[in-house]
Amino acid sequence: NAGVTQTPKFQVLKTGQSMTLQCAQDMNHNSMYWYRQDPGMGLRLIYYSASEGTTDKGEVPNGYNVSRLNKREFSLRLESAAPSQTSVYFCASISGGRRAFFGQGTRLTVV
Amino acid sequence: ELKVEQNPLFLSMQEGKNYTIYCNYSTTSDRLYWYRQDPGKSLESLFVLLSNGAVKQEGRLMASLDTKARLSTLHITAAVHDLSATYFCAVDSFGNEKLTFGTGTRLTIIP
Repeated sequence: NAGVTQTPKFQVLKTGQSMTLQCAQDMNHNSMYWYRQDPGMGLRLIYYSASEGTTDKGEVPNGYNVSRLNKREFSLRLESAAPSQTSVYFCASISGGRRAFFGQGTRLTVV
Repeated sequence: ELKVEQNPLFLSMQEGKNYTIYCNYSTTSDRLYWYRQDPGKSLESLFVLLSNGAVKQEGRLMASLDTKARLSTLHITAAVHDLSATYFCAVDSFGNEKLTFGTGTRLTIIP
């Protein structure tokens, strides 16, 4: 079972470049989330999608956009990367019983 | 805005000892979750607590929820080295599906 798949696993960007982080789940979950994890700060919610066709801002949405393409896929886009966006990004999907399944993470460095 | 606080942030304990990690949150919610993260890895769901007074146990870990006190505890019994990890609690905001994490407790079990 694949669960939640994130791509890429690692990425280095130059300041000002754009990129899209991909996330797909095969568990038929309605809810999907994007978090960033920085040392000493836990996980901070960037955006979430409670169902296909809906998205909502989380705690730290500035500098990011999302697309819930269909029930399976939820992508995160950085339009103009900044060094402050260097982080580890996690995608998660949550079952009807509220059990969360996380992807393996994307380690992004912006230089 | 929902705030989730964990304490302690760091915990070093000897094998065989018992200890408790605390998770406090700031607004009404009756849904709380515990996760484990090993260094460099993704998060793994441990417990889903969905009502006041809920208690769940798995091996040497036991989690409980007191929604009136807005407090959850993760109790470790007779710690073993394999339990060394960072533990996160997370809380759903009441009325929506915004999942907010605490900053984590880094647990180190010393032989």
